[in-house]
Amino acid sequence: SQQGEEDPQALSIQEGENATMNCSYKTSINNLQWYRQNSGRGLVHLILIRSNEREKHSGRLRVTLDTSKKSSSLLITASRAADTASYFCATGNTASKLTFGTGTRLQVTL
Amino acid sequence: EAQVTQNPRYLITVTGKKLTVTCSQNMNHEYMSWYRQDPGLGLRQIYYSMNVEVTDKGDVPEGYKVSRKEKRNFPLILESPSPNQTSLYFCASSSRDTQYFGPGTRLTVL
Repeated sequence: SQQGEEDPQALSIQEGENATMNCSYKTSINNLQWYRQNSGRGLVHLILIRSNEREKHSGRLRVTLDTSKKSSSLLITASRAADTASYFCATGNTASKLTFGTGTRLQVTL
Repeated sequence: EAQVTQNPRYLITVTGKKLTVTCSQNMNHEYMSWYRQDPGLGLRQIYYSMNVEVTDKGDVPEGYKVSRKEKRNFPLILESPSPNQTSLYFCASSSRDTQYFGPGTRLTVL
């Protein structure tokens, strides 16, 4: 079953703009992670936010978590063409069992 | 270099012909997983392993087998592949929360 659902399914922006994607989940979590996937390749971990954190930054990435609404958002600031990829949220309470959403396809155009 | 490797990267086979996709990690991780990725369905976990000789079913285990005889290897076995197992397969390993993914194996079953 899908725990995380990303919104929107697809997003197209111009270089330099900010990109925001959202993730909603169903059950309580210990942490929520965001991963990136370039077309047809393996996923790469971007950032992890724990259930007792509300916001976290890493470079141009900003992640928020609202456990009362069971939702998270990923903001990519000053986007670049190289940010074009699919982005997935993942939730899980153990290191071995992560449940991924269906992803947001981000297209950044010049 | 820390990595997860999968072989083969591409495979076209016929219904019923047993196949094995290998996965190996060099990070001494306890946890390893197999996922399949299908359009519109995101990543779904097939099997996972918490350590040598300890494996458990994920969300879509039917038609698959795994084994974990050594810590570094976690092969995925399809005893009698069927066309609905045509998919992109990813192996991943982790020691804590973050999963490290292999490059993927694109399998086509005719």
